[in-house]
Amino acid sequence: EVQLVESGGGLVKPGGSLRLSCAASGFTFSTYSMNWVRQAPGKGLEWLSSITSSGNYIYYADSVRGRFTISRDNAKNSLSLQMNSLRAEDTALYYCARRYCSGTSCYSLDSWGQGTLVTVSS
Amino acid sequence: EIVLTQSPATLSVSPGERATLSCRASQSVSSHLDWFQQKPGQAPRLLIYDVSNRATGIPARFSGSGSGTDFPLTISSLEPEDFAVYHCHQRSNWPLTFGGGTKVEIK
Repeated sequence: EVQLVESGGGLVKPGGSLRLSCAASGFTFSTYSMNWVRQAPGKGLEWLSSITSSGNYIYYADSVRGRFTISRDNAKNSLSLQMNSLRAEDTALYYCARRYCSGTSCYSLDSWGQGTLVTVSS
Repeated sequence: EIVLTQSPATLSVSPGERATLSCRASQSVSSHLDWFQQKPGQAPRLLIYDVSNRATGIPARFSGSGSGTDFPLTISSLEPEDFAVYHCHQRSNWPLTFGGGTKVEIK
């Protein structure tokens, strides 16, 4: 069974930092592109960042570029999101999600974790 | 950035009725359009991929269609478990984007 389990969320002050993790199991982690998507309270979904299976290519949304850093450790089946310079508007539930890519073709976000809540407040 | 506009924001439907949700893209997304269902307190679940293909375990009452920039999702006869928020999503271009969601509620 595919499992994605996020952790690391919590309450942080504006300007602070937090590191989220996503532990993967039940599939060959090293063959999937991994993604972070967030959802602010009562709002829609916002894609944040993607990292290819090898880690060679990384993409960010403008809203987080320069503040957030995605990384992965294929040996540990783990995905991370380092979040710096946090703002109130970063308050959200953060999900990790996988998607399969083959060559230049990428498929759907077919499995999601349950999310970890980040609250940015003084 | 490709903007996805979903309408209506809320759709009130009685069980057994048909529901049609709209997703319009600001430019062509080819066939790289997916739909997700999200119930309260749960993560999004892949419902439809590549416009019209049902994901594993999704019942046949859900159907996606469309092309280019206009992608409706139809639920042919609403079951109690279908009341949820539906999100469309394009993966044609970076950045990946989602629509604002349509909440399907019980009338």
